[in-house]
Amino acid sequence: EPEVTQTPSHQVTQMGQEVILRCVPISNHLYFYWYRQILGQKVEFLVSFYNNEISEKSEIFDDQFSVERPDGSNFTLKIRSTKLEDSAMYFCASRYMSSYGYTFGSGTRLTVV
Amino acid sequence: AQSVTQLGSHVSVSEGALVLLRCNYSSSVPPYLFWYVQYPNQGLQLLLKYTTGATLVKGINGFEAEFKKSETSFHLTKPSAHMSDAAEYFCAVSEGNQAGTALIFGKGTTLSVSS
Repeated sequence: EPEVTQTPSHQVTQMGQEVILRCVPISNHLYFYWYRQILGQKVEFLVSFYNNEISEKSEIFDDQFSVERPDGSNFTLKIRSTKLEDSAMYFCASRYMSSYGYTFGSGTRLTVV
Repeated sequence: AQSVTQLGSHVSVSEGALVLLRCNYSSSVPPYLFWYVQYPNQGLQLLLKYTTGATLVKGINGFEAEFKKSETSFHLTKPSAHMSDAAEYFCAVSEGNQAGTALIFGKGTTLSVSS
């Protein structure tokens, strides 16, 4: 069964450093998403991406965040200058069309120290 | 704006007992509704979804959910709990006809199953 692949599974970074989280969505999917889950809290929407541009973004997705689909397969989330409160599990998701379910990756646990 | 309320952050059942996890939603347009399960240190796995059509939806692992528009509910049930069902369960809603629209999650319900 096709999977959404995320790398790395765990990343530790120092406050103020830039991080890039990587995702390979399912190949024929058209819509891509990033979510985050702070430990013990609910899963929160960050951003959706379609046709090489952002479709929607939440209040969390401020100027420190950016997304890119550089080569037609990878989908990346960049955090420019990490803060302690960015520590969370980050999930990538994709789906083919609106009537389909979202397929999530297994997540990247980001720890900012 | 859409929102999801999951009643009960923690539900405990005995093995073989009925599982009922409650979810109520609000949406300004006909919603698409989802249940996801998260096992410890793993990602989110789709259990089932409602888009259109039959309001009783069957999913994996013996789970099912019924969309009740009048009650704005999408409760998840399983007739007989198994130890392996112990996990975190998330109800989620999206405005289905907007494919790029976010999936909004509830806060989750932790299901514990005792022998």
